[in-house]
Amino acid sequence: KAGVTQTPRYLIKTRGQQVTLSCSPISGHRSVSWYQQTPGQGLQFLFEYFSETQRNKGNFPGRFSGRQFSNSRSEMNVSTLELGDSALYLCASSLEYGKLFFGSGTQLSVL
Amino acid sequence: AQSVTQPDIHITVSEGASLELRCNYSYGATPYLFWYVQSPGQGLQLLLKYFSGDTLVQGIKGFEAEFKRSQSSFNLRKPSVHWSDAAEYFCAVGAGTSGTYKYIFGTGTRLKVLA
Repeated sequence: KAGVTQTPRYLIKTRGQQVTLSCSPISGHRSVSWYQQTPGQGLQFLFEYFSETQRNKGNFPGRFSGRQFSNSRSEMNVSTLELGDSALYLCASSLEYGKLFFGSGTQLSVL
Repeated sequence: AQSVTQPDIHITVSEGASLELRCNYSYGATPYLFWYVQSPGQGLQLLLKYFSGDTLVQGIKGFEAEFKRSQSSFNLRKPSVHWSDAAEYFCAVGAGTSGTYKYIFGTGTRLKVLA
């Protein structure tokens, strides 16, 4: 069974641009959540989707948005990029509560 | 507000030595607690979880954790560390109501293992 797939693996953008990250969950997993990982800050929860509905949202500005498609694939969008958005963005899918399966992440660098 | 504190940013132990990684949480209700490990170049993997019942939880790779409600702690232990255990470890608490849980992670503890 394929794991959680995130694309692209690396991204370099400049301030003010926007970016879209993609996540394909494990087959059968309907819950997809997103996290921002930065050194010293750990993982910060962005949002979680279940069956195309956002169930939960973290404390991030409105520039961060997401969506989930009917096949459970999810995308995350960040508009008007800032230098501080440079981070590893992790996607996780789950079938049961508590057991998250993480992808390898998308490393975003904002110049 | 819910929070998780991992007071040790870095820990170095010798191979074969015992290990304890500390985790303290703040949560008003009965917490759901987890430990995840992130090995270099790999995604995070669940080591173990506590929902209820026995406060000593066994996980994969020989790890265990003990829930102590009076101390608001969920420390991770391993009796004998292997070089392959070098990684970053994250404690997390599940917060919310049924069906809408989110996970709050600590800032992580990076483990270095000396040969």
